[in-house]
Amino acid sequence: DIQMTQSPSSLSASVGDRVTITCRASQIISNYLNWYQQKPGKAPNLLIYAASSLQSGVPSRFNGSGSGTDFTLTVSSLQPEDFATYYCQQSYSTPYTFGQGTKLEIK
Amino acid sequence: EVQLLESGGGLVQPGGSLRLSCAASGFTFSSFAMNWVRQAPGKGLEWVSLISASGGSTYSADSVKGRFTISRDNSKNTLYLQLNSLRVEDTAIYYCAKDQERGFGSGLVDNWGQGTLVTVSS
Repeated sequence: DIQMTQSPSSLSASVGDRVTITCRASQIISNYLNWYQQKPGKAPNLLIYAASSLQSGVPSRFNGSGSGTDFTLTVSSLQPEDFATYYCQQSYSTPYTFGQGTKLEIK
Repeated sequence: EVQLLESGGGLVQPGGSLRLSCAASGFTFSSFAMNWVRQAPGKGLEWVSLISASGGSTYSADSVKGRFTISRDNSKNTLYLQLNSLRVEDTAIYYCAKDQERGFGSGLVDNWGQGTLVTVSS
């Protein structure tokens, strides 16, 4: 199975900050990397697919990059509604594993 | 608007069974692969199973293989997950999740249900 490792596991930031979350795959997955946002008590929401494609309706302050094994999710200017937990997921091969999550908290 | 409505969760004893259902609307259900993803209380996401649009191909995580069975009825726009030989560690919210891809699917989820809680406890 492909292991997905996110860092950091938690992050404190302020409104307006630029933040970056990284995700590393245990083997090459090309660009088959997706990012989801989950708020407490809610289902996840797709933000980025194919490493860098913005899902329809997602604000442009979210940006994804990377290929191969190393990927990043950047939020250019944090808004209050962005404080949530973020998960990466590989869709290269089954089982479609997720990272352990990064909890983004308000400083 | 895509809507996915899960049902069938509840409290069950270890070794017991449940069948989860997911009623889909707002898209051509028979064209898209579907997934189940679960989340244990306070934990991260775990992909459980995928079924192709036709229902002819299925894939499951090793942790549930041989115990859980994914199926679909395209005439009823409904996805199912049969859970057998349940263990305490299967306790989780189970999400019905629409694949972005038609046909065989990819595991990329573009729409999620609200989830149904399965609790396995004696």
